[in-house]
Amino acid sequence: DAKTTQPPSMDCAEGRAANLPCNHSTISGNEYVYWYRQIHSQGPQYIIHGLKNNETNEMASLIITEDRKSSTLILPHATLRDTAVYYCIVSSKAAGNKLTFGGGTRVLVKP
Amino acid sequence: DAGVIQSPRHEVTEMGQEVTLRCKPISGHDYLFWYRQTMMRGLELLIYFNNNVPIDDSGMPEDRFSAKMPNASFSTLKIQPSEPRDSAVYFCASSPMSGSQETQYFGPGTRLLVL
Repeated sequence: DAKTTQPPSMDCAEGRAANLPCNHSTISGNEYVYWYRQIHSQGPQYIIHGLKNNETNEMASLIITEDRKSSTLILPHATLRDTAVYYCIVSSKAAGNKLTFGGGTRVLVKP
Repeated sequence: DAGVIQSPRHEVTEMGQEVTLRCKPISGHDYLFWYRQTMMRGLELLIYFNNNVPIDDSGMPEDRFSAKMPNASFSTLKIQPSEPRDSAVYFCASSPMSGSQETQYFGPGTRLLVL
């Protein structure tokens, strides 16, 4: 069973920030939070990951709450090409870096 | 780097036939993963290898499925005999080995249709 809970879908206006929430209330101390996305008909693509500190890269920012029970992926300026299913996953090296994909959030960026 | 390469990209076969899917991981990556994606079940991990050795095959649905990794640059997923319910998109992913968390890089997938 997936250890995360995400809204099934959300819309976002092009050029605006998209904030994607994820709940992972049962996360353990050695588990990281990963975000992947899957654009239609393509393989999943890594976006970002973090343990407890906020992280930022060229694609997105990851905000993890202090208790680590939830996180938010931020796409700062959404484009039409960001339309995809976004997956929030928790995993640890002890688990062999296995990724268990849930249903994800289907994000539709509208012009 | 060409990324993870999968072949064929599309496969249509008849029930009962043997199907072999192929994957070439990114050079230097020590982990290789096979996933299956369907509308009903989403994206599922079937099996993964570390340094060519199968580590966890608990996701393999049944004995009709088998996977091998004869060397660091090649892996196969075989279905024999195939059934219509095996129709899905099969993804291969690879990941480097290190002391910290590493991400997985996915191939484009093989779309399998069993008639």
